[in-house]
Amino acid sequence: AQSVTQLGSHVSVSEGALVLLRCNYSSSVPPYLFWYVQYPNQGLQLLLKYTTGATLVKGINGFEAEFKKSETSFHLTKPSAHMSDAAEYFCAVSVLGANSKLTFGKGITLSVRP
Amino acid sequence: GAGVSQSPSNKVTEKGKDVELRCDPISGHTALYWYRQSLGQGLEFLIYFQGNSAPDKSGLPSDRFSAERTGGSVSTLTIQRTQQEDSAVYLCASSFAGTSVETQYFGPGTRLLVL
Repeated sequence: AQSVTQLGSHVSVSEGALVLLRCNYSSSVPPYLFWYVQYPNQGLQLLLKYTTGATLVKGINGFEAEFKKSETSFHLTKPSAHMSDAAEYFCAVSVLGANSKLTFGKGITLSVRP
Repeated sequence: GAGVSQSPSNKVTEKGKDVELRCDPISGHTALYWYRQSLGQGLEFLIYFQGNSAPDKSGLPSDRFSAERTGGSVSTLTIQRTQQEDSAVYLCASSFAGTSVETQYFGPGTRLLVL
């Protein structure tokens, strides 16, 4: 079975500062990794995903993440935080198989200070 | 184009009552998923429909929960004899072919409160 660990529940950064949201996964088979963002009272929106190929993936709104197999990590970064980035961020994993369900981490709430 | 829609957006019910939650997936998407988002458990998979195949019900927490998908499109999640622990946001998602590499597109959710 797969699992995702997102340490901490809340991260606060200043506007313009680096955003780093950590995600570690556990999987016995090659994983597919996703970052979703949830704005208040909205559904989840895909930021980016890693399936195969280049391990550094770029997503929407200036976010990127790097798949590091040796560290079983898929951390999300953005060089400069914007006020509009304040939201909840979920890391998720799926694997090849009959059931393509997503297994999510607990989520991290990002606050951006002016 | 239209995204995934869910109704109602909010539902308040009394313990012991049955509730039905509806999901309209993106047109043309063959795969449909239900997830539950609660404070204690985070986001959990409930059930998965793919085309005409038998649904994967492995995430349903009890036999009070059931779901159906009519005509390969609209889905209804039914919770019988609701309990307070059923209070959560129920999210529906759809994808084009249901493979593990695809993006799942989520609806806004139904917020269920059981009193």
